[in-house]
Amino acid sequence: QQQVKQSPQSLIVQKGGISIINCAYENTAFDYFPWYQQFPGKGPALLIAIRPDVSEKKEGRFTISFNKSAKQFSLHIMDSQPGDSATYFCAARAPRTNDYKLSFGAGTTVTVRA
Amino acid sequence: DTGVSQNPRHKITKRGQNVTFRCDPISEHNRLYWYRQTLGQGPEFLTYFQNEAQLEKSRLLSDRFSAERPKGSFSTLEIQRTEQGDSAMYLCASSLYEQFFGPGTRLTVL
Repeated sequence: QQQVKQSPQSLIVQKGGISIINCAYENTAFDYFPWYQQFPGKGPALLIAIRPDVSEKKEGRFTISFNKSAKQFSLHIMDSQPGDSATYFCAARAPRTNDYKLSFGAGTTVTVRA
Repeated sequence: DTGVSQNPRHKITKRGQNVTFRCDPISEHNRLYWYRQTLGQGPEFLTYFQNEAQLEKSRLLSDRFSAERPKGSFSTLEIQRTEQGDSAMYLCASSLYEQFFGPGTRLTVL
């Protein structure tokens, strides 16, 4: 059973547009939520991460929004560029319970059209 | 390059053969993880080590799979009597806190 549900499965955005990817979880022990970017044939690369004590974190064009009560979090990619075309995975883990493994969503393939 | 490295990058084998993959983590990282990723899916946890101790194994890790991390440095993942369903990308990650992934080993079982 997938512990982190991710949507949409894929999206297409025009260059300069905003890409939004949503994730939801049930396990209230989760307290660390990273996002990974993966290009074909490569391993996932850490993009940005958030803890539930903040509602938003921004790094460059990437922003995570976190809603603890709804158990949802999302990634916004502002001013999307063709080089952002990749698969994005949300993930979660529960280090305070000594559970260090990551539970991943199924991924969202983002295509940015020039 | 001080990132996580994995070898080989690609492995093609016949059903029933044994295969072994190696992962070299970032040197100061004490935790090492193995994940499996199939096409169109997110990585799925297989097992992890803290130093040389294997602390958790997923139900996905059947008796045909074994992992080691001698002396808390590099790790090996062995699959015995491979099956076609074992075809996947095998990813290694290491961490002090954030997990950093290697490029993966793509296994194809014919």
